[in-house]
Amino acid sequence: GNSVTQMEGPVTLSEEAFLTINCTYTATGYPSLFWYVQYPGEGLQLLLKATKADDKGSNKGFEATYRKETTSFHLEKGSVQVSDSAVYFCALSERAGGTSYGKLTFGQGTILTVHP
Amino acid sequence: SQTIHQWPATLVQPVGSPLSLECTVEGTSNPNLYWYRQAAGRGLQLLFYSVGIGQISSEVPQNLSASRPQDRQFILSSKKLLLSDSGFYLCAWSDQVGTEAFFGQGTRLTVV
Repeated sequence: GNSVTQMEGPVTLSEEAFLTINCTYTATGYPSLFWYVQYPGEGLQLLLKATKADDKGSNKGFEATYRKETTSFHLEKGSVQVSDSAVYFCALSERAGGTSYGKLTFGQGTILTVHP
Repeated sequence: SQTIHQWPATLVQPVGSPLSLECTVEGTSNPNLYWYRQAAGRGLQLLFYSVGIGQISSEVPQNLSASRPQDRQFILSSKKLLLSDSGFYLCAWSDQVGTEAFFGQGTRLTVV
């Protein structure tokens, strides 16, 4: 079956530090990959996505590149802000067709805290 | 634009009581609908999904059930809640291609 593994948290950084959250996956097919963010007290929001190998998803200064050869989708940001404090989830979905219908398999989430 | 509504936002229920959480989607037709749960200290787990009215698939055995009485309405239910049902429940929808999901604000359920 499919699975997603994220680096253990929590991660605590100072403002303007560089961020990397590692994510690796196992999938039987050719999945789409996502990063979702959950701010305190809120639901999930899509942060970025990539649908094929070597695609780079980017949004709000965050980036992640779909690496098929290493089955990875690491999240990076060059300079984090206090407002980036949240829980970050890596996820995959199989391509549409059969019974997949875009069901998401999530990693366990990484809590990020950024201090001023 | 499409929106998804989920209520209530928080809920405290005694063990053995029934549960009904409702989710509705606006601005789209024939969406795929999903219920996820985030237990304390754990990641998100898919509980149910639906590709059409009356069509429900369960991903994990559990004390909960789901129903889809209308195209854009998805309900999560239980006849008798257990302590282990506590968690953060998220409803989501995707289009028929299913390559991206959009989430509601969630319901935090505490069973006491």
